[in-house]
Amino acid sequence: DGGITQSPKYLFRKEGQNVTLSCEQNLNHDAMYWYRQDPGQGLRLIYYSQIVNDFQKGDIAEGYSVSREKKESFPLTVTSAQKNPTAFYLCASSPRLLAGGPGSTGELFFGEGSRLTVL
Amino acid sequence: AQTVTQSQPEMSVQEAETVTLSCTYDTSESDYYLFWYKQPPSRQMILVIRQEAYKQQNATENRFSVNFQKAAKSFSLKISDSQLGDAAMYFCAYRNPGANSKLTFGKGITLSVRP
Repeated sequence: DGGITQSPKYLFRKEGQNVTLSCEQNLNHDAMYWYRQDPGQGLRLIYYSQIVNDFQKGDIAEGYSVSREKKESFPLTVTSAQKNPTAFYLCASSPRLLAGGPGSTGELFFGEGSRLTVL
Repeated sequence: AQTVTQSQPEMSVQEAETVTLSCTYDTSESDYYLFWYKQPPSRQMILVIRQEAYKQQNATENRFSVNFQKAAKSFSLKISDSQLGDAAMYFCAYRNPGANSKLTFGKGITLSVRP
């Protein structure tokens, strides 16, 4: 089945350690996104990528890094510089949205999320 | 920058009744997309309904419908014949058209359904 796979589902980290969250999609989507969810904050955009080898910072990129070496993969690294990394992380993908173009309905498709806890 | 506001953090509805969830947004664009997503306790984000700003007709999906007021920048979700399975967080979201656009979410509303 086509979809987005995030792993691991639960992750525990000691302070000062970097961790990498995996996101893989087989929907042949060009665009991929990372969101962070905290209680009462909604979903906030960390990084997004519209094409391979290119990505842009979102609203809360500090302390995070990403890479986009393959179309189907968009891993997120939470570095030790991230002051408060405990959160729920959601990966999403969509076809590239072209103004006036056919095909995309604009929606994002989401993975099941990864819960990161810093001990 | 575009912003999305959901001012009610929680709502409750009796099973089989109707409930309306409010959302307002701020944009200077004339063409854009609006969405309502549902997040049940499993935390999987599920698209409920979408609306394209150039369409005047309000979108409907079975028991879910929207009231899209473009001039007022309002996009409310009506759930008819509420069911226990409708209990979840609901997020309103906005997206510009364009190749580099992103989805901006409101803070969400927690809907509980009373049996």
